[in-house]
Amino acid sequence: NAGVTQTPKFRILKIGQSMTLQCTQDMNHNYMYWYRQDPGMGLKLIYYSVGAGITDKGEVPNGYNVSRSTTEDFPLRLELAAPSQTSVYFCASSIRDRGHQPQHFGDGTRLSIL
Amino acid sequence: AQSVTQPDIHITVSEGASLELRCNYSYGATPYLFWYVQSPGQGLQLLLKYFSGDTLVQGIKGFEAEFKRSQSSFNLRKPSVHWSDAAEYFCAVDGAAGNKLTFGGGTRVLVKP
Repeated sequence: NAGVTQTPKFRILKIGQSMTLQCTQDMNHNYMYWYRQDPGMGLKLIYYSVGAGITDKGEVPNGYNVSRSTTEDFPLRLELAAPSQTSVYFCASSIRDRGHQPQHFGDGTRLSIL
Repeated sequence: AQSVTQPDIHITVSEGASLELRCNYSYGATPYLFWYVQSPGQGLQLLLKYFSGDTLVQGIKGFEAEFKRSQSSFNLRKPSVHWSDAAEYFCAVDGAAGNKLTFGGGTRVLVKP
């Protein structure tokens, strides 16, 4: 059981480049999330999705885009990378059919913008 | 808006000693509370959760937490820490309809031999 899988694990980008962080889950969860983690700041929600075709902004969405074409996949795109986007990115998923359920996290993508 | 405060950024504890991590939350209604642990280079793993009922909840790895509504707190405890408990611990609250977690800033635990 793979759970939540994120790729790549590490990446270095130059300012202005673009890239997509991949996230896939095999638990048939309807909710998926993207967070960024900066030292001492905990995790901040970037975007989330309540099901295929439905996405919404979180606390820090600027500079990012998402799509949710399938239940399993929830990619995060950076269009014009900026140094402020240097962070560790976590994808998570949860099921919502029985009220509040815990989120399951991937191992993260460590991204540096130089 | 909901918020979570973890007052202690770092805690150092001797192996075998007890551990308590503090968490204070702000939310207008009944909160759903979680503690997660993050080992270096890893994602977050759920330790325990509180939804309703008994205010003392048991989790994995010998951890427990107590919900105190009057103090808006959800402190995490372990009677005797092991070297493998060295990690960062996050408290989180979920009160919104969209099942969106708000995290505290985390507490990093160092375990001395």
